[in-house]
Amino acid sequence: EVQLVESGGGLVQPGGSLRLSCAASGFTFSGFYMTWVRQSPGKGLEWVANINQDGSEEYYADSVKGRFTISRDNAKNSLYLQMNSLRAEDTALYYCARGGTMDLCFGEGGQGTLVTVSA
Amino acid sequence: DVVMTQSPLSLPVTLGQPASISCRSSQSLEHRDGNTYLIWFHQRPGQSPRRLIYKVSNRDSGVPDRFSGSGSGTDFTLQISRVEADDVGVYYCMQGTHWVTFGGGTKVEIK
Repeated sequence: EVQLVESGGGLVQPGGSLRLSCAASGFTFSGFYMTWVRQSPGKGLEWVANINQDGSEEYYADSVKGRFTISRDNAKNSLYLQMNSLRAEDTALYYCARGGTMDLCFGEGGQGTLVTVSA
Repeated sequence: DVVMTQSPLSLPVTLGQPASISCRSSQSLEHRDGNTYLIWFHQRPGQSPRRLIYKVSNRDSGVPDRFSGSGSGTDFTLQISRVEADDVGVYYCMQGTHWVTFGGGTKVEIK
């Protein structure tokens, strides 16, 4: 079964930085696009960014473009999200998901990692 | 961007009775490859979303057959034939044809 475990969230001041990680198991990580999705408190789901299998192509939502960077390490079965110039509106639970736009699925057991941007 | 509109926002249901959730898109979700990339997720409190249905009507492994998806173009439906207590939570549709957008969610609760 697909297991995705997110970590790295926390409380950060506006303008600060955080790096999120996602440890993947249960599937051939290097064979799939990977995606970050976020969910603001009490709100719905928002696609953030995705990356292709070898890390050569990255795509971002307009709301994070130029501030966030998605990356992956296939040797470590890990996905990352470097978040810079954080804003209050970035406060959310961040999930990683397997797949790109057409075949997205979330892992079993992952509970997301909470990012809170506040002074 | 493609806007996904779900209804109703809240759905009180009786155990053992059917339930239906609607999802409408602002433009057709038929991809040029002939597929329609419409996914349904179920999210329980404190958990990540679980995919139930992909490409409109294909159930994921382990999803009970009381869940079914249908529709085409811009109009889609998730049906639960007989609601069980474990089905409570929020259901989201998501389109993957024109990048990615999610519906606002439908909260299912037991009457």
